[in-house]
Order: sequence, then C-alpha cells, then structure tokens
Amino acid sequence: GAVVSQHPSRVICKSGTSVKIECRSLDFQATTMFWYRQFPKQSLMLMATSNEGSKATYEQGVEKDKFLINHASLTLSTLTVTSAHPEDSSFYICSAAGGSGEPQFFGPGTRLTVL
Amino acid sequence: AQSVTQLDSQVPVFEEAPVELRCNYSSSVSVYLFWYVQYPNQGLQLLLKYLSGSTLVESINGFEAEFNKSQTSFHLRKPSVHISDTAEYFCAVGLYNQGGKLIFGQGTELSVKP
Repeated sequence: GAVVSQHPSRVICKSGTSVKIECRSLDFQATTMFWYRQFPKQSLMLMATSNEGSKATYEQGVEKDKFLINHASLTLSTLTVTSAHPEDSSFYICSAAGGSGEPQFFGPGTRLTVL
Repeated sequence: AQSVTQLDSQVPVFEEAPVELRCNYSSSVSVYLFWYVQYPNQGLQLLLKYLSGSTLVESINGFEAEFNKSQTSFHLRKPSVHISDTAEYFCAVGLYNQGGKLIFGQGTELSVKP
C-alpha cells in the first residue's frame, strides 16, 4: 500500500500556542487528504476533507478558524491547531486517497498534549 | 443516512481459536468496504478491501471477509488467531458519490490470549 508520513509524531505545547502537523503522501499523488481526531478507545472522528488547491471542507461542529488546513500540493497537507487548549489534546491522524472507490492510506498519527 | 455498526466492542479469544468480527452497514446507494487494523499509538493499516467482483476477499495474513449485500454485512474472519493479531479493528464504508470519504464503525478490540 501507499506510504503516508506525519510529522511530528508527538508534541507537547503550552496552552495558547499554535501547533502545525504535516501529512505527506510519499509515493503517490493524493487527490484528497483527510484529517481525523481520535479519542482513547474510540473510533476516528472526521474533522475535514482537503483537496489540493482548494479550501478544506469541515465537518459539522469543527471550528475552521481553530483547525486550519492547507493542502499546498498533491503530496502535502498541513493541520494547524491555533491557540491550543488542553481540550484539544488528542491523537490526530491524516489519510490520503486517490479518489472515490480507492482506500485511504493513513499516517502514523500525531499525539498532541496541551499543558 | 449511511451508518456502520460493529456489533462487538471487545472480542477476547484464545490463541489458535477462530474469530469473527462483525460489521453491518446501512446505505441506500452502492458501497465499497474496507477493514483496517490499528495497533496501539499507531495509524490505521489497510487489512483488506471489497470494491467489486468476488464477494470473498482475503488478506496476506490469513484474514478474510465476505461481502453480503442482502444482509448488508462485511464480517471479518480468521480461522486461527495469533497473539500478534491483538489490535483494534475498524470496518469502513465508502460511497461512490462522496469523493473518497469513509464512514467508520466504532471499532472492535480483539484481544488474543495465550
């Protein structure tokens, strides 16, 4: 399967700071990238869908001004958590897909801890 | 609305025993389906997929799943599990008019004991 990387794998920050997470598809051009949030012992919660060169589509209840998504190329999408607070602490996972009917390939995830 | 239900949140089983992880979906349009596995503190790995054709699909590590359209199910099975199969398993459904978006089940924690 395709390889997707995420960086950083773990980040600890102070409340009020912003954190950027990068998601790269290493060996294929991803038409679409997805950002998820996962709480312990729970399923994935889709936050937004990102298409290269266009604005991200956010799921209901996800603050677009707090979770900024940029999809600059077919191989790179970034998620910036702005003014992070302790309740933003979570496991964030990205995925990349070639389009409808294709599987999503997931990054290894980023553990964000906001103190 | 579309939905995916994994009927068992936890499945404990002894090593070398058979296992079935159940997945049912609800959709009014054609779907494609996946099973993903997640090990602790890692992302999801694609285990197997059904897009079209044969309703029985297999993975390289002994898992298989059968797409049953009439029962709207996609159960995952393995005839003999190993300790290393201990992980969280997610069933996911995709809709052809949704640009690759997936709907995930709640997950099933498979715990294989010696």
